Amino acid sequence: NAGVTQTPKFRILKIGQSMTLQCTQDMNHNYMYWYRQDPGMGLKLIYYSVGAGITDKGEVPNGYNVSRSTTEDFPLRLELAAPSQTSVYFCASSSRVNQPQHFGDGTRLSIL
Amino acid sequence: GESVGLHLPTLSVQEGDNSIINCAYSNSASDYFIWYKQESGKGPQFIIDIRSNMDKRQGQRVTVLLNKTVKHLSLQIAATQPGDSAVYFCAEIPSGGYNKLIFGAGTRLAVHP
Repeated sequence: NAGVTQTPKFRILKIGQSMTLQCTQDMNHNYMYWYRQDPGMGLKLIYYSVGAGITDKGEVPNGYNVSRSTTEDFPLRLELAAPSQTSVYFCASSSRVNQPQHFGDGTRLSIL
Repeated sequence: GESVGLHLPTLSVQEGDNSIINCAYSNSASDYFIWYKQESGKGPQFIIDIRSNMDKRQGQRVTVLLNKTVKHLSLQIAATQPGDSAVYFCAEIPSGGYNKLIFGAGTRLAVHP
């Protein structure tokens, strides 16, 4: 059982480039989330989804976009990458409200 | 970039001792709380959870205590082992919040032989 899988694990971007961080889960969870984690900090919510076709902003959505066309996949898009977006990005999923979220192992993104 | 937890408070314990990690949460309306363990290079791993209608919950070697009066959460680890070394985060979910986690800053646990 793979759980939550994120690709790539590492990436270096130049300022102004764009990329998509991939996230897929095989637990048939309705809820999916994207977080970023800056050094020495807890995770902050970027976007979340409560089901296919439904997405909403979290605490720090600026500079990012998401889509949810299937239950399994929840890609995060960075447009016009900026140095402030250098971070570790985690995707998570849960079956329903007030259930633990299961996390992937993250994508480490550096923007130079 | 810097590794996770570089500037976090650190709790140092001897192998075999009990560890207590504390957390102050922010929202009195939160009704679900989770402790996560994060090892270097990994995503957060679920340890134990507790709902607001409880004040204590036990798992295998771990106990979570919830004091709603002072908005305080603690994680107790019995007979701490080297494999317990990691960064520990508490997280809260406000009621009606679509399961959106609000994470605390984290505490690094260092277990010495």
